[in-house]
Amino acid sequence: AQSVTQLDSQVPVFEEAPVELRCNYSSSVSVYLFWYVQYPNQGLQLLLKYLSGSTLVKGINGFEAEFNKSQTSFHLRKPSVHISDTAEYFCAVISRRALTFGSGTRLQVQP
Amino acid sequence: DAGITQSPRHKVTETGTPVTLRCHQTENHRYMYWYRQDPGHGLRLIHYSYGVKDTDKGEVSDGYSVSRSKTEDFLLTLESATSSQTSVYFCAISVGTSGGQETQYFGPGTRLLVL
Repeated sequence: AQSVTQLDSQVPVFEEAPVELRCNYSSSVSVYLFWYVQYPNQGLQLLLKYLSGSTLVKGINGFEAEFNKSQTSFHLRKPSVHISDTAEYFCAVISRRALTFGSGTRLQVQP
Repeated sequence: DAGITQSPRHKVTETGTPVTLRCHQTENHRYMYWYRQDPGHGLRLIHYSYGVKDTDKGEVSDGYSVSRSKTEDFLLTLESATSSQTSVYFCAISVGTSGGQETQYFGPGTRLLVL
């Protein structure tokens, strides 16, 4: 069975600072990975996805993630965060057409 | 916007009562899913459907049933609601090619409180 671990439950950061949200996965088969964002009291929005090809994936709102097969990681990064990036971020892996999610990382951007 | 609506958006009910949540899509996608979201657990799969009348269980299916009589509608029923089923419920659809490279898009969620 596939699983996803998000190592940080909360990440506080100051506005305009860089941020990295960590995600590790376990899988014995081909891996397709996703990052979703959830703003307060809203549904989940797709940020980016890795299906194949380049290991550096660019998403919406200036986020990017790098697929690292040897380290089984798919960390999410942004070089300069804004207050509006305050949200919860979920890493997920797809298996048999269903998503397995990590427990989420709450990004708190402070002025 | 993936054309997914959920109803109701909020519901308060009492322990032991049946509850049905509805997910509606406008784009005739074959695969539909129900997840629940709880603090510290992310989202967990309850049931999914791969076509009309074709459904299967997910990780946390106990106490839930589903039905899909039309492509556009996927219903989740709590047969006898319990306080442990207080949660936020999300419906999703799967879009894309076969072979695992699909992308899931989510509805706005239903917030359920069982007293």
